[in-house]
Amino acid sequence: EAGVTQSPTHLIKTRGQQVTLRCSPISGHTSVYWYQQALGLGLQFLLWYDEGEERNRGNFPPRFSGRQFPNYSSELNVNALELEDSALYLCASRLDRGYNTGELFFGEGSRLTVL
Amino acid sequence: AQKITQTQPGMFVQEKEAVTLDCTYDTSDQSYGLFWYKQPSSGEMIFLIYQGSYDEQNATEGRYSLNFQKARKSANLVISASQLGDSAMYFCAMSANAGGTSYGKLTFGQGTILTVHP
Repeated sequence: EAGVTQSPTHLIKTRGQQVTLRCSPISGHTSVYWYQQALGLGLQFLLWYDEGEERNRGNFPPRFSGRQFPNYSSELNVNALELEDSALYLCASRLDRGYNTGELFFGEGSRLTVL
Repeated sequence: AQKITQTQPGMFVQEKEAVTLDCTYDTSDQSYGLFWYKQPSSGEMIFLIYQGSYDEQNATEGRYSLNFQKARKSANLVISASQLGDSAMYFCAMSANAGGTSYGKLTFGQGTILTVHP
């Protein structure tokens, strides 16, 4: 069974540009989470989508946005890129049905560099 | 609000020895889950172990065990018989609701870098 897949794996942008990151969850998982991990730091929660709806949002400016499609895949959009947006962006999925431990399954991330 | 604190930025251990990585948490939720993840230099996050707040026994998964002390709000990870491949960043995390639906987000600590020496 395929795990969480993210694309692109690496990308370089310049300040002011816009970027779209993509994530496909594990088959059957309906919830998708986005986290930002700046160099050497912990994971900061960005967004949570479930069944196509935004359920929760972290403390990030509105230029960070996203959506979830009917097939549960998700996009993260970042507008007006700033240098401090350089980070590893991790997507995770989870099956939010029935009894389970609630662990998140992560993709390998998209490493964004803003010059 | 939930908060995870990992006070050890870095830890060193000799191969084949045991090591304990500290984690304390703060939450007003009665039902919650605690997790440990490993992040090698490649960047992927690997799930290691889970402890539910109502679980009376400490969780174990192979060489990993979670020393859960609810009154102290601590959830330390113990790695026995360390291996060179254990060198990585380790994150403690928690979410509301231990078991069932509607978990919400995972809140992560800042991580501990573990280095295993031969």
